[in-house]
Amino acid sequence: DAGVTQSPTHLIKTRGQQVTLRCSPISGHKSVSWYQQVLGQGPQFIFQYYEKEERGRGNFPDRFSARQFPNYSSELNVNALLLGDSALYLCASSPGLAGGGDTQYFGPGTRLTVL
Amino acid sequence: AQSVTQLDSQVPVFEEAPVELRCNYSSSVSVYLFWYVQYPNQGLQLLLKYLSGSTLVKGINGFEAEFNKSQTSFHLRKPSVHISDTAEYFCAVTLMNRDDKIIFGKGTRLHILP
Repeated sequence: DAGVTQSPTHLIKTRGQQVTLRCSPISGHKSVSWYQQVLGQGPQFIFQYYEKEERGRGNFPDRFSARQFPNYSSELNVNALLLGDSALYLCASSPGLAGGGDTQYFGPGTRLTVL
Repeated sequence: AQSVTQLDSQVPVFEEAPVELRCNYSSSVSVYLFWYVQYPNQGLQLLLKYLSGSTLVKGINGFEAEFNKSQTSFHLRKPSVHISDTAEYFCAVTLMNRDDKIIFGKGTRLHILP
C-alpha cells in the first residue's frame, strides 16, 4: 500500500501570499493531522481532522485553516504568509483519532520557504 | 496541559556502544507515550509506543523504552548502535482516551562516532 503522500515537495512564496498544501492519507485511514516543524525543533500540532470534521486545533493564528474531503484527503491553507511560516509541514494519517493511541503515519513533508 | 522534555539536544556515541535518550513528560492524567525517528530529509517513523501493560516496550531496529510512572519518564535505549542509527529522535505524548493532539519534544540528535 502507498504511504502518506504530500504535494508539493518544495514551495517558495513571498510575504503576503497564500499557499495550499495537500495530503493524501493511507487508504482506510480516516484521521489526518497537520504539523509545522521549524528547523531544529519538534513538530508542532496545527490541526486534526477526523471524518471530515475538525477535532483539534493547535496554537496557530486564524491565517491557518484546513479541510478534509469525502475521500479523506486534506488541504492546509495559510494566508498572508510571514517569514516565520518558513518550515517543513508534515501531514500524518491514522485509522482513528491521534488521542486514541493510534500510530500516526507521517508523509515526507512539504518544505515551505517564505522570502 | 501535557508537555514533553527531552533532556539532551545532542548525544554523541561510538559505534557498537549502548545509548540512552532521555524523555520526561508532565501530565495530570494518564498518557500514551511514543518515540519517533526522523532520518535526514525524511518524515517521522514510529519506533515504539506505550499504551498499557508491560512497562518495557520493544520497538523496531533493536530499540526499547521503559515507562516509569513515578518518575514520569520514558527513556529510549539501544544496547549497540550502528552508523545507520544516525537520526533525530522525538519523544511524544498524548492524553489517554481523549480526543486530543500529540505533543512532541524538541528532539535529540543521535550522532554515531566511528
